[in-house]
Amino acid sequence: LAKTTQPISMDSYEGQEVNITCSHNNIATNDYITWYQQFPSQGPRFIIQGYKTKVTNEVASLFIPADRKSSTLSLPRVSLSDTAVYYCLVGDTGFQKLVFGTGTRLLVSP
Amino acid sequence: EAQVTQNPRYLITVTGKKLTVTCSQNMNHEYMSWYRQDPGLGLRQIYYSMNVEVTDKGDVPEGYKVSRKEKRNFPLILESPSPNQTSLYFCASSPASTGGQPQHFGDGTRLSIL
Repeated sequence: LAKTTQPISMDSYEGQEVNITCSHNNIATNDYITWYQQFPSQGPRFIIQGYKTKVTNEVASLFIPADRKSSTLSLPRVSLSDTAVYYCLVGDTGFQKLVFGTGTRLLVSP
Repeated sequence: EAQVTQNPRYLITVTGKKLTVTCSQNMNHEYMSWYRQDPGLGLRQIYYSMNVEVTDKGDVPEGYKVSRKEKRNFPLILESPSPNQTSLYFCASSPASTGGQPQHFGDGTRLSIL
């Protein structure tokens, strides 16, 4: 699995857009980019997944440049309930060990 | 509702007393896995199963057993629990297919071994 690098923490205020960037220089051709959200004492929750360009769902957008060596998770108009740890992972299939790094701890303040 | 269900959610027990944490998924997923999460160490895989009767060790299998007799269930067994197995445990499942199928996680089981 490709190693990923993310900021350890980010701070934001309610209503702002938050962008979390993940570096994955060694991403393989078949790898997808997946983001999870985790609240304290809860299981990681799938947010969004993409392979290239842009993916958008009801929760977030994922921007992937052409070289795919990085990706950006965009959370529009965050609220206090978006305070959580966000993990970026790359891999090519669902049936493989997920290697969670330290993630990015997002703190949203009023 | 599609979900992964773990039981119990919390358990405090003593060293050496055998325990089982159950995991069940209702999505007909082939792949199931157990992770433990410890402060500063992130999530580490304990065991995984590609399908019924097919299991294999993850990164930290010592002290644990698993079984996969049915597709939906993947129990984690601690035959003789020790304090170093105090942790937060997560079960996950996904379809065994290519194309980036995300894994779905349960809500976790917090074990305290005294």
